[in-house]
Amino acid sequence: KQEVTQIPAALSVPEGENLVLNCSFTDSAIYNLQWFRQDPGKGLTSLLLIQSSQREQTSGRLNASLDKSSGRSTLYIAASQPGDSATYLCAVIGTYKYIFGTGTRLKVLA
Amino acid sequence: SQTIHQWPATLVQPVGSPLSLECTVEGTSNPNLYWYRQAAGRGLQLLFYSVGIGQISSEVPQNLSASRPQDRQFILSSKKLLLSDSGFYLCAWSFMGQETQYFGPGTRLLVL
Repeated sequence: KQEVTQIPAALSVPEGENLVLNCSFTDSAIYNLQWFRQDPGKGLTSLLLIQSSQREQTSGRLNASLDKSSGRSTLYIAASQPGDSATYLCAVIGTYKYIFGTGTRLKVLA
Repeated sequence: SQTIHQWPATLVQPVGSPLSLECTVEGTSNPNLYWYRQAAGRGLQLLFYSVGIGQISSEVPQNLSASRPQDRQFILSSKKLLLSDSGFYLCAWSFMGQETQYFGPGTRLLVL
């Protein structure tokens, strides 16, 4: 059974810091992995989708990497801003199913 | 382009009352449809998925049921709500045969 873990559960950093969010999964037989952002009381905003054949994806200040063999993905946020404050979720993608981690709650202090 | 709608956005219901949440997709045909729930302090969990009209697969045993009366309509129901049914419910769709899912805005349900 696939299990997805995100560490840390919560993170508070001063504005401008570079930071790394971690996602680990137990079964490397995945199709893809996707990172989302969730603002309080809101739905999901897709940030980056990494296909299983890829090692990383970049969008602006965000960079996500995927190492299937070790069951790990990281989301790197450069030069963090208060507007980045949200919960970040990773999801491993299998047949008919997204399996989500419990998220990292990020707060960027001005 | 494709759009997914969910309603209502927020719902407060007493324990024991019925529930009906609706999800519709526009701009595509024969989508796969999904219901997820995010309970307080827990991650998003897949509840049901459907690969066609009248075809529903349940992932976890629970107090809820799902139906797909039309190609692009997915309904989540309960005959009698429990306190533990409170949470944030997300509907999603994918192109048939593809894994990437697209999520709706969600419905926040509070059972009192």
